[in-house]
Amino acid sequence: DQQVKQNSPSLSVQEGRISILNCDYTNSMFDYFLWYKKYPAEGPTFLISISSIKDKNEDGRFTVFLNKSAKHLSLHIVPSQPGDSAVYFCAASGGSNYKLTFGKGTLLTVNP
Amino acid sequence: GAGVSQSPSNKVTEKGKDVELRCDPISGHTALYWYRQRLGQGLEFLIYFQGNSAPDKSGLPSDRFSAERTGESVSTLTIQRTQQEDSAVYLCASSSQSATTNEQYFGPGTRLTVT
Repeated sequence: DQQVKQNSPSLSVQEGRISILNCDYTNSMFDYFLWYKKYPAEGPTFLISISSIKDKNEDGRFTVFLNKSAKHLSLHIVPSQPGDSAVYFCAASGGSNYKLTFGKGTLLTVNP
Repeated sequence: GAGVSQSPSNKVTEKGKDVELRCDPISGHTALYWYRQRLGQGLEFLIYFQGNSAPDKSGLPSDRFSAERTGESVSTLTIQRTQQEDSAVYLCASSSQSATTNEQYFGPGTRLTVT
């Protein structure tokens, strides 16, 4: 029973264009959502997060949107750069111990 | 400052042997987490430490898995009588519980291969 789903295993985008990565969740108890970026042979790196009391959070080229009624969030990267090529994981937490529940990841490739 | 470190980076072991994986969290981080990532899967929660106690062990897949943490520093994850399905990347993360973003900092992982 996957509580966090990333339905697109891969996404290919041209440099300079927008990348949109999607994530759906099923557990209504989740109240915090995070995006991590992972390069091969490295641990995941925190990118951006959003609390369930907000619907948008922006940090430079990265914006996360949360639609609670649809239990859906998305990460927008604009403009996309070749260095953004990595696996992106959506994660969610709820409760006092902050453990994260992860999706399976989306491999983003940004072509020069 | 130093990030989360893990050792060894790679471990190949024969089925049935015991293995010990080590995690050094960021200094001062009171919370420590173990996750694993099997091929093609997302990260799977194993265990959470707050200080040296483990209030949530719900992700440990069987009683062959155990973990301990000394003080608010090093943690070891032990897998006894390893099986081929234990092959995965084991990741450790730490966080400051005073952080408002629940940002967890991950180490590079230990790739475990059971032959």
